Amino acid sequence: SYVLTQPPSVSVAPGQTARITCGGNNIGSKSVHWYQQKPGQAPVLVVYDDSDRPSGIPERFSGSNSGNTATLTISRVEAGDEADYYCQVWDSSSDPVVFGGGTKLTVL
Amino acid sequence: EVQLVESGGGLVKPGGSLRLSCAASGFTFSSYSMNWVRQAPGKGLEWVSSISSSSSYIYYADSVKGRFTISRDNAKNSLYLQMNSLRAEDTAVYYCARDPRIPPVNWYFDLWGRGTLVTVSS
Repeated sequence: SYVLTQPPSVSVAPGQTARITCGGNNIGSKSVHWYQQKPGQAPVLVVYDDSDRPSGIPERFSGSNSGNTATLTISRVEAGDEADYYCQVWDSSSDPVVFGGGTKLTVL
Repeated sequence: EVQLVESGGGLVKPGGSLRLSCAASGFTFSSYSMNWVRQAPGKGLEWVSSISSSSSYIYYADSVKGRFTISRDNAKNSLYLQMNSLRAEDTAVYYCARDPRIPPVNWYFDLWGRGTLVTVSS
């Protein structure tokens, strides 16, 4: 089955840019979706189809996808962005929905 | 208000059964594919099962195939997950989630419930 690899943690100072990567074999050929999950809360979709944002998600959240790496970029990071972030793809294998292991974003 | 509300979680012994429900409101439930996603304590997200709008297409993760059954009642705006032969590793918060595209392509989930906790322990 398809595997998505994320760094366990990323740290960034307020106002700086955070980049969270999601690695997978030829992931650039797939559509990548990103979720934010704060402690005790359900996940929230922040980017879909590599780089589209749902309504209500700030423009500070953006995504890109090429080759073997997809990236979620959070500009001008705020304390409220501290959360776990998960990438996800659809794959035509035994388990069609695959999540990355998640990345904990810490705002210093 | 557009929302999903799960219920039915609780403590169950290994080998036991449990039925989860998800009540949808604020949107045309019968138009959308629906999913169950779970999260073990302190762990990441794991997709469990998917059902198409008319129940014509059903998919399961290998980890639950043969033990779990997904179903829906569009007249009641409800999604279900029947869980049998439960194991300790099934302990998790179970979320229902909506796929927003009709028909679904490159599945993703734009609406999630708050989840219901299932604990499998003797």
